[in-house]
Amino acid sequence: GAVVSQHPSRVICKSGTSVKIECRSLDFQATTMFWYRQFPKQSLMLMATSNEGSKATYEQGVEKDKFLINHASLTLSTLTVTSAHPEDSSFYICSARGGKGETQYFGPGTRLLVL
Amino acid sequence: QKEVEQNSGPLSVPEGAIASLNCTYSDRGSQSFFWYRQYSGKSPELIMSIYSNGDKEDGRFTAQLNKASQYVSLLIRDSQPSDSATYLCAVREYGNKLVFGAGTILRVKS
Repeated sequence: GAVVSQHPSRVICKSGTSVKIECRSLDFQATTMFWYRQFPKQSLMLMATSNEGSKATYEQGVEKDKFLINHASLTLSTLTVTSAHPEDSSFYICSARGGKGETQYFGPGTRLLVL
Repeated sequence: QKEVEQNSGPLSVPEGAIASLNCTYSDRGSQSFFWYRQYSGKSPELIMSIYSNGDKEDGRFTAQLNKASQYVSLLIRDSQPSDSATYLCAVREYGNKLVFGAGTILRVKS
């Protein structure tokens, strides 16, 4: 099946710092990548949709200047949480759409803890 | 706002039994439906997709779709303790975004 990787898997940072999360589709070209956030015991919430070479589309309520998304190639998208605060602590998951059936495949997630 | 509804559970079934997970959706025009499994602390993994009315079987899993009733279900036969997880129903909407239900917690007791 299609494989999506994320790096890092876990990060702890101080309040005010920026954190970059990478999402890669390893064995297929992803026409679209999605970034989700999941708080404990809650469902996935879509943050933004990104297509290679174009600006990301953010969901209502998501600050585009705080959550910077770059989709430089068909296999790589990055999410940068700028000036992170404790309330940004969450499980960030990317997914990549492509391959057979244009299905979304999820990366393993990045757990962010902001102190 | 498109909605996907699931019973949060937990749904408890004995080992070897059939687990039945249900999902309803609000957009009558939806065409693509997905079931994901999510273990605690992990990201979702795709179990099945279904696009046409009727049943679709894959091993111990059967997805059922009824577009007239706006209803999609997942049956797990011969349930195992390793099937204990949260099951997420997702519906693809315009722009290829997935709208997820809140998930149903399944517990299979040995």
